[in-house]
Amino acid sequence: GESVGLHLPTLSVQEGDNSIINCAYSNSASDYFIWYKQESGKGPQFIIDIRSNMDKRQGQRVTVLLNKTVKHLSLQIAATQPGDSAVYFCAEKPDNYGQNFVFGPGTRLSVLP
Amino acid sequence: DAGITQSPRHKVTETGTPVTLRCHQTENHRYMYWYRQDPGHGLRLIHYSYGVKDTDKGEVSDGYSVSRSKTEDFLLTLESATSSQTSVYFCAISDGGRNNSPLHFGNGTRLTVT
Repeated sequence: GESVGLHLPTLSVQEGDNSIINCAYSNSASDYFIWYKQESGKGPQFIIDIRSNMDKRQGQRVTVLLNKTVKHLSLQIAATQPGDSAVYFCAEKPDNYGQNFVFGPGTRLSVLP
Repeated sequence: DAGITQSPRHKVTETGTPVTLRCHQTENHRYMYWYRQDPGHGLRLIHYSYGVKDTDKGEVSDGYSVSRSKTEDFLLTLESATSSQTSVYFCAISDGGRNNSPLHFGNGTRLTVT
């Protein structure tokens, strides 16, 4: 597979536990945020998004929290499963007109049996 | 999965040769993007398109050109490949713009320049 995750921080969790993956974003003017999951050899897969007028959004087994005061985004995965093992990264959109999302380098999630 | 096909999936080429990567979408989305992904870096935007024949540069556009002659196809060309362009290239699509919507990615092309 691709070696895109060579130097990533790693989070190891036990199967069935909850996972929390964090992301610090850079631009206080960013108004839209996305979490992606990337498995080896595949492209990033959209998980969940949130707009800056919200501080929490829930999906299926996932919750995204946005703290604009400290420019922090987190992804919570409930009841983590082996299939959740992947690299997760956040993306921010610095303004409402541009097209250049800014992507974080990611965190590798390893689910232990 | 979003209907995005990248070709080829793998390519090895020599320094100085031209290379073209293709992205084909079946979603009729207005916006198409080319990103590169390298170890230790987040995805970085090379070029994007906001319509047929309408393109703009991204963060790392030097050494790359793009063309979009049809809504469904977005081509990335390396006119004279260099070893620094060894990377994994991802195409993405979006129907957004001012209305925020997520990017959806293809499965990438791994390019090795020897």
